[in-house]
Amino acid sequence: AIQLTQSPSSLSASVGDRVTITCRASQGISSALAWYQQKPGKAPKLLIYDASSLESGVPSRFSGSGSGTDFTLTISSLQPEDFATYYCQQFNSYPQTFGQGTRLEIK
Amino acid sequence: EVQLVESGGGLVQPGRSLRLSCAASGFTFDDYAMHWVRQAPGKGLEWVSGISWNSGSIGYADSVKGRFTISRDNAKNSLYLQMNSLRAEDTALYYCAKAKGSSGWYPISYWGQGTLVTVSS
Repeated sequence: AIQLTQSPSSLSASVGDRVTITCRASQGISSALAWYQQKPGKAPKLLIYDASSLESGVPSRFSGSGSGTDFTLTISSLQPEDFATYYCQQFNSYPQTFGQGTRLEIK
Repeated sequence: EVQLVESGGGLVQPGRSLRLSCAASGFTFDDYAMHWVRQAPGKGLEWVSGISWNSGSIGYADSVKGRFTISRDNAKNSLYLQMNSLRAEDTALYYCAKAKGSSGWYPISYWGQGTLVTVSS
């Protein structure tokens, strides 16, 4: 199975900060990568798919980039509602896999 | 409005079986692949299984292969997960999830609220 490694595992930042989370795949997955946001007690929400496509209704401060094995999620200016856990997921092949998550906390 | 409502969770002894169901509404069910994803208490997301629109392509996580079986009934707009030989490590909140397209080569676009499975003696 393809392994996804996210870094950092946790991150403290302030409102207005620019934040970048990375996701590295153990083998090439083209652009078959998605990013999700999960808040406590809630189901995950799709933010980015195909590595860089913004899901409808998601604020433009979220962006994604990368292909092959290295990917990034960037939040250009953190808002209070962005403090959550973020996961990457590959859908290039079965079994699909998720990264271990990055917890974004308020500094 | 897309709705995915899971049911069938509960407390079960190790080695026993359980069948989860997911009732879908608000979209054309047989146009989309569907998945089960689980989350153990306080842990991250784990993809469990996926099935294409016509059941022609199915995949499982290594951790459940040979024990779990995914299926769907397009006439009933329903997704199922038959879980056999349950283990303590299968304890988790199980989410039913809708893909963005018809096959496994699409991300998950919508999630239900989950059903809790607890495996304990």
